[in-house]
Amino acid sequence: DTGVSQDPRHKITKRGQNVTFRCDPISEHNRLYWYRQTLGQGPEFLTYFQNEAQLEKSRLLSDRFSAERPKGSFSTLEIQRTEQGDSAMYLCASSLGGDRDPTGYFGPGTRLTVT
Amino acid sequence: AQSVSQHNHHVILSEAASLELGCNYSYGGTVNLFWYVQYPGQHLQLLLKYFSGDPLVKGIKGFEAEFIKSKFSFNLRKPSVQWSDTAEYFCAVNGYRDDKIIFGKGTRLHILP
Repeated sequence: DTGVSQDPRHKITKRGQNVTFRCDPISEHNRLYWYRQTLGQGPEFLTYFQNEAQLEKSRLLSDRFSAERPKGSFSTLEIQRTEQGDSAMYLCASSLGGDRDPTGYFGPGTRLTVT
Repeated sequence: AQSVSQHNHHVILSEAASLELGCNYSYGGTVNLFWYVQYPGQHLQLLLKYFSGDPLVKGIKGFEAEFIKSKFSFNLRKPSVQWSDTAEYFCAVNGYRDDKIIFGKGTRLHILP
């Protein structure tokens, strides 16, 4: 399968714990995006990378959230001191970007439940 | 600020009925437009996209959408729906020089057999 993959698919954690999610994009895609989706809403943009550079962060991304893409390939999204309001589906997407093809191809998501 | 508005949150149709889902966007510049679909239990998939050229674009599974620049609209249509079209549909936009994709809240489509 050459699509976007995410790990884990589900995560249940207690409030206050830290969690980390991983995304592996389509191999030739240099753009990588993180989104969050809650019930009844469309995906909300969190942040994106051009290769290893984080180019934009949404105001939704509080200081407890950090994302990295150290070698321009896979990316991780860490949430520190989780809160119940962090419960959501976290989606990763990748694209060729810009003038080539901005179409985002999405992974299956990581569903986070904070108890 | 960029935004996408989808007119209907929940649509129920019988098989063979015609479908039109409304989408309007707000963006001050050249845009790329998308419709994504999420079938039950599956992840978001691209249905169709508009970058430039013919404003009537055709996608997978018999769907099409028309970009009307003067109305800032990108409505999705299908002449005859099937039960398998039951899904949630998301309209999305990104600016020509802005890489993040902004989504609408989605329309949940339920097709009665």
